Amino acid sequence: AQSVSQHNHHVILSEAASLELGCNYSYGGTVNLFWYVQYPGQHLQLLLKYFSGDPLVKGIKGFEAEFIKSKFSFNLRKPSVQWSDTAEYFCAVGGQAGTALIFGKGTTLSVSS
Amino acid sequence: NAGVTQTPKFRVLKTGQSMTLLCAQDMNHEYMYWYRQDPGMGLRLIHYSVGEGTTAKGEVPDGYNVSRLKKQNFLLGLESAAPSQTSVYFCASSYTPLDILNTEAFFGQGTRLTVV
Repeated sequence: AQSVSQHNHHVILSEAASLELGCNYSYGGTVNLFWYVQYPGQHLQLLLKYFSGDPLVKGIKGFEAEFIKSKFSFNLRKPSVQWSDTAEYFCAVGGQAGTALIFGKGTTLSVSS
Repeated sequence: NAGVTQTPKFRVLKTGQSMTLLCAQDMNHEYMYWYRQDPGMGLRLIHYSVGEGTTAKGEVPDGYNVSRLKKQNFLLGLESAAPSQTSVYFCASSYTPLDILNTEAFFGQGTRLTVV
């Protein structure tokens, strides 16, 4: 069965600091990997996704993530965070060949100005 | 293009009452999902469907039933609501055979359910 582990429950940063959120997954087959963001009071929106090809994927708002197959990891990064990045971030895996899309428990990011 | 629409947006139920949450998508997606979101627990999969007429259990299916009689609709039912089912419920849909590599899920706005 698939599973997703996010290592950081709550991250607090100052504006302009760099961000890295960890995500590890457990799945033996070909994976589709996602990072979603949920701003306060809103639904989930896609930040970026990996299906195949270049393991370094770029998403919206300056976010990027690197797929490292040997480590079963898909960490999210941003060189310089802004106050508006305050949100909850979810890593997800799956959704292909009849498998369900499974989410991690989420990481709350708080950015102070 | 409405995307994924959930109704209702808010609901308060008394313990033991029943209700149905409706999810409708207009993207011709094959897969549909129901999740519940609770603080510190992330999104937990309740049930999902990989096509019209199919359903499957997720991580937390107890106390819920689902039906996918039409491709565009996915209904979540609570037969006898319990306070433990107080949560925010999200529906999502994904995947068309025309774009088999793309399994990005699109989410509805959520339904906030309180069971008293």
